[in-house]
Amino acid sequence: DAKTTQPPSMDCAEGRAANLPCNHSTISGNEYVYWYRQIHSQGPQYIIHGLKNNETNEMASLIITEDRKSSTLILPHATLRDTAVYYCIVRDTGGGNKLTFGTGTQLKVEL
Amino acid sequence: DTGVSQDPRHKITKRGQNVTFRCDPISEHNRLYWYRQTLGQGPEFLTYFQNEAQLEKSRLLSDRFSAERPKGSFSTLEIQRTEQGDSAMYLCASNGGVGTGELFFGEGSRLTVL
Repeated sequence: DAKTTQPPSMDCAEGRAANLPCNHSTISGNEYVYWYRQIHSQGPQYIIHGLKNNETNEMASLIITEDRKSSTLILPHATLRDTAVYYCIVRDTGGGNKLTFGTGTQLKVEL
Repeated sequence: DTGVSQDPRHKITKRGQNVTFRCDPISEHNRLYWYRQTLGQGPEFLTYFQNEAQLEKSRLLSDRFSAERPKGSFSTLEIQRTEQGDSAMYLCASNGGVGTGELFFGEGSRLTVL
């Protein structure tokens, strides 16, 4: 079963920051938080991951709360091409890197 | 393009027929995963291989499903005696087995069972 809770949908204006929340209150100390997204009719695409510290890459920033029970994915300047389903996944360091997806958040970026 | 190839991209078949999907992972990746995705749901894990060894199978993988990775490179997923409930997108992913654990997904093979 998925270990995360995400809102089913969100809207964002193009050019504005999109902040996607995720609750993972049962996360344990060795579990990473991963974010993937899936654009319609394509396979999921890796965005970013983190354990304790905030992370930033060319696609997004990941903010993890100090107690690690929730996180936020930030797309700093959303574009229409960022319209997708965003999945927040808690992954154990073991288990062969298998990912367990939930239903994600459908982000719609509009003009 | 992630470097993971799946074939065919679309397959329409009649109930009771057998179908086979192929996945070519990124060449240096030793781990390969199969997922199934139905409309409105996230991908569901089916099975994964490390090299040629199948290390884990989900209970979703009924006895009509079989996956192989005979030489530790490409993999096939066969569904025998297809049912309408098998209609889904079948996704393949690969991973280098070390480091970040990032999975690289293919575009998927969409199966429609009539």
